[in-house]
Amino acid sequence: NAGVTQTPKFRILKIGQSMTLQCTQDMNHNYMYWYRQDPGMGLKLIYYSVGAGITDKGEVPNGYNVSRSTTEDFPLRLELAAPSQTSVYFCASRGDNYGYTFGSGTRLTVV
Amino acid sequence: EDQVTQSPEALRLQEGESSSLNCSYTVSGLRGLFWYRQDPGKGPEFLFTLYSAGEEKEKERLKATLTKKESFLHITAPKPEDSATYLCAVQRPDSWGKLQFGAGTQVVVTP
Repeated sequence: NAGVTQTPKFRILKIGQSMTLQCTQDMNHNYMYWYRQDPGMGLKLIYYSVGAGITDKGEVPNGYNVSRSTTEDFPLRLELAAPSQTSVYFCASRGDNYGYTFGSGTRLTVV
Repeated sequence: EDQVTQSPEALRLQEGESSSLNCSYTVSGLRGLFWYRQDPGKGPEFLFTLYSAGEEKEKERLKATLTKKESFLHITAPKPEDSATYLCAVQRPDSWGKLQFGAGTQVVVTP
């Protein structure tokens, strides 16, 4: 009963570094999403995918990239990290009842 | 532009003191309104989906209702374990499951 698994849980990056946030789900869901959550703000959609090989931009995609080579995995790539990307990142997948299952999040600090 | 506004931002309750959280929304068509619970350091947990005005759903001490412009989450006789941030989100038709989230209401229930 793993659900949605995100790694790492915490990370500190220096400005200009790159990293990949990993997300995998074992529920065979086609729809997957990446959100970021900042204090006092609602979750903002970064990218989403409706199936393997299909991705699209959300509300705040600048500075990020994604890929979806399998149904299970939906990694988020940060290129040239900036302080504005300091946030908590959540991956989610969607089931038949339209409710999301979220991962436990990755807390990223860019210094 | 779709907007989701939650009020109050924070709510402090005594154990057993019932109250309601508000989620007002403006959206071009509504496919669904979602409520989530989020504990500190964790991902949001799905509670309810409401699809049409007049619909109600219950789970333990929580009851969600929906009108054409807003939704309420009623907490009846809360316990300390109901302390969490409650998030509201809306989905438009043909949006590939994308959700627009409110900023949340932080609820603290004291013994």
